[in-house]
Amino acid sequence: AQTVTQSQPEMSVQEAETVTLSCTYDTSESDYYLFWYKQPPSRQMILVIRQEAYKQQNATENRFSVNFQKAAKSFSLKISDSQLGDAAMYFCAYLLTSGSRLTFGEGTQLTVNP
Amino acid sequence: GAGVSQSPSNKVTEKGKDVELRCDPISGHTALYWYRQRLGQGLEFLIYFQGNSAPDKSGLPSDRFSAERTGESVSTLTIQRTQQEDSAVYLCASSLGRGGYYGYTFGSGTRLTVV
Repeated sequence: AQTVTQSQPEMSVQEAETVTLSCTYDTSESDYYLFWYKQPPSRQMILVIRQEAYKQQNATENRFSVNFQKAAKSFSLKISDSQLGDAAMYFCAYLLTSGSRLTFGEGTQLTVNP
Repeated sequence: GAGVSQSPSNKVTEKGKDVELRCDPISGHTALYWYRQRLGQGLEFLIYFQGNSAPDKSGLPSDRFSAERTGESVSTLTIQRTQQEDSAVYLCASSLGRGGYYGYTFGSGTRLTVV
């Protein structure tokens, strides 16, 4: 069974600074997707960024980028120029390409200090 | 609609009562998922519907839980004889296909409190 581990229950960052959230996963498969989702107090899960495992190039979406290390099974999220609106719970998730269910980590609560 | 709609937003029920949670997916999305999120935890998969195929019910925690979906429309998650451990946020998501390529769109969830 696949597992996703987020070792940082809480993180904080100063506004305009950069923060990195960690995620590791365990799988014996080679073909899968990885995701970072953001969950603000509204509860709705919002997709932040997605990475296909077969792609070596790290995904980037504006201020959000990932460091994908397939051999190490690591998938960290970097948020640059942090904004107050980035404050939320962040979840790392895994999806087997041939599968149908997302497996989530326990989440990291990010606080952005003004 | 423009997004995934869930109702009710919040539900308080007495232990032992049955509850029904509703999810209205994005029109045209063939796949629909239910997840449970206990306080301070990640999301647990419950059930997955894909078109007219048999649903994947492997995540349902007990036979008190059941879900239905008619075609590619509304889904209902029913919890019978609710217990305090059922207290959680129940999130629904839909996707155009199986989800990896197209991504999931989540609703805002139903917060269930069993007293």
